Amino acid sequence: EPEVTQTPSHQVTQMGQEVILRCVPISNHLYFYWYRQILGQKVEFLVSFYNNEISEKSEIFDDQFSVERPDGSNFTLKIRSTKLEDSAMYFCASSGGQPQHFGDGTRLSIL
Amino acid sequence: GQQVMQIPQYQHVQEGEDFTTYCNSSTTLSNIQWYKQRPGGHPVFLIQLVKSGEVKKQKRLTFQFGEAKKNSSLHITATQTTDVGTYFCAGSNSGGSNYKLTFGKGTLLTVNP
Repeated sequence: EPEVTQTPSHQVTQMGQEVILRCVPISNHLYFYWYRQILGQKVEFLVSFYNNEISEKSEIFDDQFSVERPDGSNFTLKIRSTKLEDSAMYFCASSGGQPQHFGDGTRLSIL
Repeated sequence: GQQVMQIPQYQHVQEGEDFTTYCNSSTTLSNIQWYKQRPGGHPVFLIQLVKSGEVKKQKRLTFQFGEAKKNSSLHITATQTTDVGTYFCAGSNSGGSNYKLTFGKGTLLTVNP
């Protein structure tokens, strides 16, 4: 069964540095999403992406965040100038509509 | 904005007992989805409910969607240790170019063998 794949599985970064989280959505899906989950808390929507543009973003998704689909397969989340509170699991998801299929996540640790 | 409340936050049961988690949305939903997340894992899609009053079953799991499409429940009959995990409901007002999911806080189920 096709899967959403995310790399790296764990990223440790110094506060203030930039990180790029990578995702390869399921190949025939058209909708892409990033969610985050702070340890022990619920999954929170960050951004949705369709037709090469952002379709919706949450209040969390401020100017330090950006997304890109640089080619036909990758979907990336960039966080500029990371902060301690950015530490969380970041999940990529993709869908052909509904339901959404989630990747295994990237655990981001900011030191 | 849309909020999805879920109770209880935790539920500990003896193996063989039943379990139910409830979900309530502040707005009418187009559909509701249920996910299971094992400790250290990612959300895994269980089911989607679309119609008002819909009931779906998957073996020992029964899912319901309320008549007003604002509440939902997941009931597990005769729990097993393999049922351990956090169960999340996630609501969607799908349409157009966005199918954003708003998750509840989840119910962590632990099962004592």
